[in-house]
Amino acid sequence: DAKTTQPNSMESNEEEPVHLPCNHSTISGTDYIHWYRQLPSQGPEYVIHGLTSNVNNRMASLAIAEDRKSSTLILHRATLRDAAVYYCILRDVAGGGADGLTFGKGTHLIIQP
Amino acid sequence: GAGVSQSPSNKVTEKGKDVELRCDPISGHTALYWYRQSLGQGLEFLIYFQGNSAPDKSGLPSDRFSAERTGGSVSTLTIQRTQQEDSAVYLCASSIDGGPYEQYFGPGTRLTVT
Repeated sequence: DAKTTQPNSMESNEEEPVHLPCNHSTISGTDYIHWYRQLPSQGPEYVIHGLTSNVNNRMASLAIAEDRKSSTLILHRATLRDAAVYYCILRDVAGGGADGLTFGKGTHLIIQP
Repeated sequence: GAGVSQSPSNKVTEKGKDVELRCDPISGHTALYWYRQSLGQGLEFLIYFQGNSAPDKSGLPSDRFSAERTGGSVSTLTIQRTQQEDSAVYLCASSIDGGPYEQYFGPGTRLTVT
């Protein structure tokens, strides 16, 4: 999977929107953009994924740049429960799943009450 | 519905002993993955099963590690002659299929080798 770059940490206030950036300048045409998060002492949790168009689900929104070299995970109204490490991962559909997910260091999101 | 389950949740073993870790994927999911997360480290992919097909074992850290999946469902990760560096949280995930589909992770098994 291609490499992604994320800030090590970000801080936000409760009930405010949070924008988590991810750069993936070497993304290929068959790479999906996946976001997972890991709460303390838990396994990772799927958040959202997309290919080219922006995506929305009950947890978050994913905004993908037109050239696909960057993306932003948007939490519309952060709560204390959203404090976690957020991972941006590229998933090559051509791999068929055999290569697993490649987790980087992610962004440690801190939510202030 | 039921998610991915793993057992045991915690395992303490002496160096040199063998351990077996179990994963029950979500019913109907054909793809199953094992990962491990060492203290302060990122998640490391170990092995992938697609249905009943033979897995690619090249991601396993050493020949002391093996995994099997019976009947395309339950999977067991076995570590022989455990070493202290094997201490980690071992995570299992399943997906409806391989490829771009989201993976659902279990709670993990925390292995401590003394």
